[in-house]
Amino acid sequence: GQQLNQSPQSMFIQEGEDVSMNCTSSSIFNTWLWYKQDPGEGPVLLIALYKAGELTSNGRLTAQFGITRKDSFLNISASIPSDVGIYFCAGCTLNAGGTSYGKLTFGQGTILTVHP
Amino acid sequence: SAVISQKPSRDICQRGTSLTIQCQVDSQVTMMFWYRQQPGQSLTLIATANQGSEATYESGFVIDKFPISRPNLTFSTLTVSNMSPEDSSIYLCSVESVGGQTEAFFGQGTRLTVV
Repeated sequence: GQQLNQSPQSMFIQEGEDVSMNCTSSSIFNTWLWYKQDPGEGPVLLIALYKAGELTSNGRLTAQFGITRKDSFLNISASIPSDVGIYFCAGCTLNAGGTSYGKLTFGQGTILTVHP
Repeated sequence: SAVISQKPSRDICQRGTSLTIQCQVDSQVTMMFWYRQQPGQSLTLIATANQGSEATYESGFVIDKFPISRPNLTFSTLTVSNMSPEDSSIYLCSVESVGGQTEAFFGQGTRLTVV
């Protein structure tokens, strides 16, 4: 089956630093999604990417859909303490009918710790 | 985005018993999804629940262990049957975004501990 390799596994940074994490896949995805999960909560969608090469921003977050459709990265600029959490990438492929209905394959997650 | 409510938010259960988790969505959706997140791990899809038909299970998950109901377009249940400590996980309900774009939104999850 499809697998996503997400790195790094964990990051310890100082407040104000920039962060970068990425995901790679052995197969092509039609959509890349980035989520953040806080303790005791479900994942919250941060950014959705639909086209190869697409670069999308959401505040201090920027994500790109790789040209090969097999990778994506997420950058966080000027980190703040509330950025702490687990970040997941997720990929989605379309079925024969051209729809995916939200069935996702997840990366292993990146645990982000921000020191004040 | 859809608002998804799961009940219970957490539970501690005895091995050998069963727990039914409810998922309620504030809008009608075609598909609902159930994921499992084992401690310190990522999310793994258990099954896809389509209203009016049997759920479709992923490899490694079977209906006898994880029966699913989908009685209408806003509600689903997942039962974890004959539980063992290995079933201790967070169980998450997910729906596609309204409008059919490939976005998935999650409930807050049900944290299950089996003792």
